[in-house]
Amino acid sequence: DAGVIQSPRHEVTEMGQEVTLRCKPISGHDYLFWYRQTMMRGLELLIYFNNNVPIDDSGMPEDRFSAKMPNASFSTLKIQPSEPRDSAVYFCASSSTGFATEAFFGQGTRLTVV
Amino acid sequence: GEDVEQSLFLSVREGDSSVINCTYTDSSSTYLYWYKQEPGAGLQLLTYIFSNMDMKQDQRLTVLLNKKDKHLSLRIADTQTGDSAIYFCAVPNSGNTPLVFGKGTRLSVIA
Repeated sequence: DAGVIQSPRHEVTEMGQEVTLRCKPISGHDYLFWYRQTMMRGLELLIYFNNNVPIDDSGMPEDRFSAKMPNASFSTLKIQPSEPRDSAVYFCASSSTGFATEAFFGQGTRLTVV
Repeated sequence: GEDVEQSLFLSVREGDSSVINCTYTDSSSTYLYWYKQEPGAGLQLLTYIFSNMDMKQDQRLTVLLNKKDKHLSLRIADTQTGDSAIYFCAVPNSGNTPLVFGKGTRLSVIA
């Protein structure tokens, strides 16, 4: 397996625009996580899915953020409208059944909102 | 919920040992983890320790676990410039919820 695949690797957008980040988890993994990393706040869990169903979205900062997982091999994180403070590196990770197992991370999407 | 704390920065000279510390608040997890993030990359599992162990050694890495004090540490012997990275402590939350990560310790190795 190629691992967790995220796209794009870099995204630069203007404030107010819609941004969509994409993730393909490792085949067979039933958990998918979205994290955000900033210098100030470190790594934060935004939302996670189990078998394509959102389980906990309490980490989503505002209603401007939304995430979907239409099938087992694809998830999106959308920010609409984007703001400069959303600039961060966004990571997707997946793991197999049981949380006490290794999480595999994608390379991340570096988002810059100007 | 679980809270994981790490110091943010550590600077060591090449060849010295590095010790990265982590404290957590509440865990009944089976495993505790150390992840490594190299520049421009995602996090990768570096090592882990089973909760009924006090110590685990893997080549230059030594993990120490003090369950009583809820303290986890990672020691890197003979630190090399290639060890420069951010190191994350990760502990599963109680009740089998996702891994909770510390903010990460940025290790800088001075040649």
